[in-house]
Amino acid sequence: EVQLLESGGGLVQPGGSLRLSCAASGFTFSSYAMTWVRQAPGKGLECISGISGSGGSTYYADSVKGRFTISRDKSKNMLYLQLNSLRAEDTAVYYCAKSNSGWFFPLDYWGQGTLVTVSS
Amino acid sequence: QSVLIQPPSASGTPGQRVTISCSGSGSNIGSNTVSWYQHLPGTAPKLLIYNNHQRPSGVPDRFSGSKSGTSASLAINGLQSEDEADYYCAAWDDSLNGIFGGGTKLTVL
Repeated sequence: EVQLLESGGGLVQPGGSLRLSCAASGFTFSSYAMTWVRQAPGKGLECISGISGSGGSTYYADSVKGRFTISRDKSKNMLYLQLNSLRAEDTAVYYCAKSNSGWFFPLDYWGQGTLVTVSS
Repeated sequence: QSVLIQPPSASGTPGQRVTISCSGSGSNIGSNTVSWYQHLPGTAPKLLIYNNHQRPSGVPDRFSGSKSGTSASLAINGLQSEDEADYYCAAWDDSLNGIFGGGTKLTVL
């Protein structure tokens, strides 16, 4: 059974940093692209970053480019998102999601999400 | 405003057929496949349709998808109360980013 479990969310001040983690199990981790998607309060879903199965290709939404960094550790079956220079508008539930192929879309399994709140 | 345009709301009565549209452009829907997701607040989003019209195992055949040019649509036949949720279309954009539509809140009257 595929499972994705996010952790690392919490309350952080503007300008601060957080590292989100996603523990993956139930599939061959290195064979699938992974994506971070967020949902701000009262807003829709937003793709913010993705990484290929090998880790060699990544992409970032313009809203987070230069501030967030996605990475993966195939030895630990872990996906990460480093969040720097956080802003109030980064407040959201962050989901990790698995692609059903080596390409970034579609996203066939999702975690339950972790809440990031940016506030002073 | 999202690059993929969806109506903010839709509604229907039990048993009815409801369709949700998703309008994009040549750089996303026009050149890449569309997927659809169902999202209940506080839960993980669920993949309903991929490759424009394919259903993952376990998704009822009441749900169907189609694509034409730069638009796509999700149809739900035999609407049920449990279908009340937010629905999102998504596609890869050739500007090198995944994108979601703004979402459609479906109400079962």
